[in-house]
Amino acid sequence: NAGVTQTPKFQVLKTGQSMTLQCAQDMNHEYMSWYRQDPGMGLRLIHYSVGAGITDQGEVPNGYNVSRSTTEDFPLRLLSAAPSQTSVYFCASSRMLGSGGYTFGSGTRLTVV
Amino acid sequence: KQEVTQIPAALSVPEGENLVLNCSFTDSAIYNLQWFRQDPGKGLTSLLLIQSSQREQTSGRLNASLDKSSGRSTLYIAASQPGDSATYLCAVGNNDMRFGAGTRLTVKP
Repeated sequence: NAGVTQTPKFQVLKTGQSMTLQCAQDMNHEYMSWYRQDPGMGLRLIHYSVGAGITDQGEVPNGYNVSRSTTEDFPLRLLSAAPSQTSVYFCASSRMLGSGGYTFGSGTRLTVV
Repeated sequence: KQEVTQIPAALSVPEGENLVLNCSFTDSAIYNLQWFRQDPGKGLTSLLLIQSSQREQTSGRLNASLDKSSGRSTLYIAASQPGDSATYLCAVGNNDMRFGAGTRLTVKP
């Protein structure tokens, strides 16, 4: 079982560059979400999706875009990277919103210089 | 807006001690509460999930309780071991999932 797979594991970007963080799950989970984790601030929700074609904003959506064209994939796009987006990014999935436990990917450590 | 608080922020105990980690939340209308473990530089590992109709869950030396009316959950770890050293996070699920900042636990041999 692969679970939730995130790529890449590490990335360094220059300010202003764009990139896409990939997230894929093979558990046929309907719900997927992206979090960022910063020291002393816990995990904060960026965007989430309750199914293919449906996305919504979390606590800190600015500077990020998402789409959900398939059940399996939920990529996170950074439009124009800023140093404030230096963080560890986690993708999570769950069978149904609010009804099941969450499974997390191993994270992407992003540094913006 | 749901606020999740974990106390203490850090805890150091000798091996073998029983301990309790606390989690409080402001909005009691939750679907579920989940406890996670995170080792340094790693992802989150799910420990226990308590659904809104449940009061507690147990797994091995771990027991988590949920009191929605008071907005509290506790994670009880029995007979702590050095391998339990990690950060423990609680998360509360409504239409999204909100996390506390975590409790960093150190168990000394």
